Amino acid sequence: QVQLVQSGAEVRKPGASVKVSCKASGYAFNAYYIHWVRQAPGQGLEWMGRINPTSGATNYSQKFQGRVTMTRDMSITSAYMELTRLRSDDTAVYYCAREQNWSFNDAFDTWGQGTMVTVSS
Amino acid sequence: EIVMTQSPATLSVSPGETATLSCRASQSVSSDLAWYQQSPGQAPRLLIYGAFTRATGIPARFSGSGSGTDFTLTINSPQSEDFVIYYCHQYNNWPQTFGQGTKLEIK
Repeated sequence: QVQLVQSGAEVRKPGASVKVSCKASGYAFNAYYIHWVRQAPGQGLEWMGRINPTSGATNYSQKFQGRVTMTRDMSITSAYMELTRLRSDDTAVYYCAREQNWSFNDAFDTWGQGTMVTVSS
Repeated sequence: EIVMTQSPATLSVSPGETATLSCRASQSVSSDLAWYQQSPGQAPRLLIYGAFTRATGIPARFSGSGSGTDFTLTINSPQSEDFVIYYCHQYNNWPQTFGQGTKLEIK
């Protein structure tokens, strides 16, 4: 079945970086964009950006430009999201999600289980 | 960026009643609107995309309507597992944005 499995929880100090992985299975990895969405404790969902698994091209939310880098490794069907210069308000659950259509913008039909990132001194 | 405003923040309905959740966009998103359901401690689950198309495996009691700036998610006779949080999501413009959520609770 189509599945996205993320790496485990992380704890970082302010100013550090974190890299979260998202392993895809059950479908053609190169045929669907992967997006990253985060959710602070008790808050709503916030879109961070997306990556084209085939070309590696990215679109980032301007809010995270300069601090976020999304990459992929097609050989192991995995996507990655690295966030640098962490602050306490980056504490959140980070999700990867698959966009269900390649040809035009569409909704996210499959989500990873989420990775809790805690930023604390 | 397009601001998505959901109302109400909390909706109380009795089992057997109809729940009507609203989502308004600050500018037109055409029909590029999705609804997700999120249970506690779980990832969001796609319910509706294209404003009114049910995702695979979603029960017929969930329906979506609207276009442009005003959208509605209707849940007919919510079941116990439906009393969770719902988010709308526009994917028409960058950056993609979500509403702040509506919590559906049992009256």
